[in-house]
Amino acid sequence: GENVEQHPSTLSVQEGDSAVIKCTYSDSASNYFPWYKQELGKGPQLIIDIRSNVGEKKDQRIAVTLNKTAKHFSLHITETQPEDSAVYFCAANGLTFGKGTHLIIQP
Amino acid sequence: DVKVTQSSRYLVKRTGEKVFLECVQDMDHENMFWYRQDPGLGLRLIYFSYDVKMKEKGDIPEGYSVSREKKERFSLILESASTNQTSMYLCASSFPAGAYEQYFGPGTRLTVT
Repeated sequence: GENVEQHPSTLSVQEGDSAVIKCTYSDSASNYFPWYKQELGKGPQLIIDIRSNVGEKKDQRIAVTLNKTAKHFSLHITETQPEDSAVYFCAANGLTFGKGTHLIIQP
Repeated sequence: DVKVTQSSRYLVKRTGEKVFLECVQDMDHENMFWYRQDPGLGLRLIYFSYDVKMKEKGDIPEGYSVSREKKERFSLILESASTNQTSMYLCASSFPAGAYEQYFGPGTRLTVT
């Protein structure tokens, strides 16, 4: 089955700086890679996703890149703000999730 | 907006009890999922369903069963609760079949004592 590794488990950045979270997957047949944000007391919510026919996708301050050859994909958040503080999960094919990254934005 | 609701936010049960966790979605989604979330382990898929009366095992089905009698409702059943089933349980739904965005409920924090 699919296996997803996510790093780092905790990431602390200064407000205004960029944050990068990385994931690797094992199944070369996987073709859908969503990223979810989970705020305290809530369920995860999709923030961006990418399919295997695309190398990069952007939505305002958030971007995702995909390297199919290396089987890894990354979430990039620029100009971080306090409301970006949350736990972020990557997933492969939407069913196998990484262990999560706790992003802390330092004021 | 898609809404996924779970019957309880917090639940405390005793070892050996039969526990039902209910999930309802209001968007006529085909697919429904149950995950458990534990610190340091992320989200792990317990069971999912692509249609009424249909179910598939996920990665950690042991000790759990599910029921989907109606399209909008997906129930997770702990036949005999144990302390190692203390966890946050998340329900999700998606449409159509295949790899698409999942919509999550707020979660049920179950404590088994």
